[in-house]
Amino acid sequence: QKEVEQNSGPLSVPEGAIASLNCTYSDRVSQSFFWYRQYSGKSPELIMSIYSNGDKEDGRFTAQLNKASQYVSLLIRDSQPSDSATYLCAAGGLEYGNKLVFGAGTILRVKS
Amino acid sequence: EAQVTQNPRYLITVTGKKLTVTCSQNMNHEYMSWYRQDPGLGLRQIYYSMNVEVTDKGDVPEGYKVSRKEKRNFPLILESPSPNQTSLYFCASSLTSFSYEQYFGPGTRLTVT
Repeated sequence: QKEVEQNSGPLSVPEGAIASLNCTYSDRVSQSFFWYRQYSGKSPELIMSIYSNGDKEDGRFTAQLNKASQYVSLLIRDSQPSDSATYLCAAGGLEYGNKLVFGAGTILRVKS
Repeated sequence: EAQVTQNPRYLITVTGKKLTVTCSQNMNHEYMSWYRQDPGLGLRQIYYSMNVEVTDKGDVPEGYKVSRKEKRNFPLILESPSPNQTSLYFCASSLTSFSYEQYFGPGTRLTVT
């Protein structure tokens, strides 16, 4: 069983819409969660981190964490074509050892 | 500028010819890690290092070696590369282990023929 799962997509949204990306993780007690954006052929770039239940907002991005349901999501408001990329969810915690566990990523396409 | 650097960025080599991919960070981070990324499989950790002289295996360590003699450097060594090691490799660092954001290098695309 994969420890961090994401829908591979592609998720297509029109420009200006809200893109919603979801990630679920195993029943271990994860502590740290991250969203990375990766453009094709480039390295992952950290865009959000979240450690406690609830919402965390940063500009057009909102991360949502629900530990009881074991999911973390990323909302992108006013989506732009430049947001088109692969979004990687990652989880960390003592039960994973000294590492982050990454999902395989969701491809987002924003159509102008 | 705070950054993680990797060299080379692109490498084509032949089976069995030893190679080293260098990684260096200038942020005084304790934790460094190597990943490989393959289509459909996402990022998989090869090795990581908690600090100088402290290294441990990740999920896919077979065929790789690492060393951490200095805090800033964490080279990845392929003693006898094989075609199944053709991949995109990333080095990453963070202040300490999993609780802190990891910063990635630009990647090294390796092709083994």
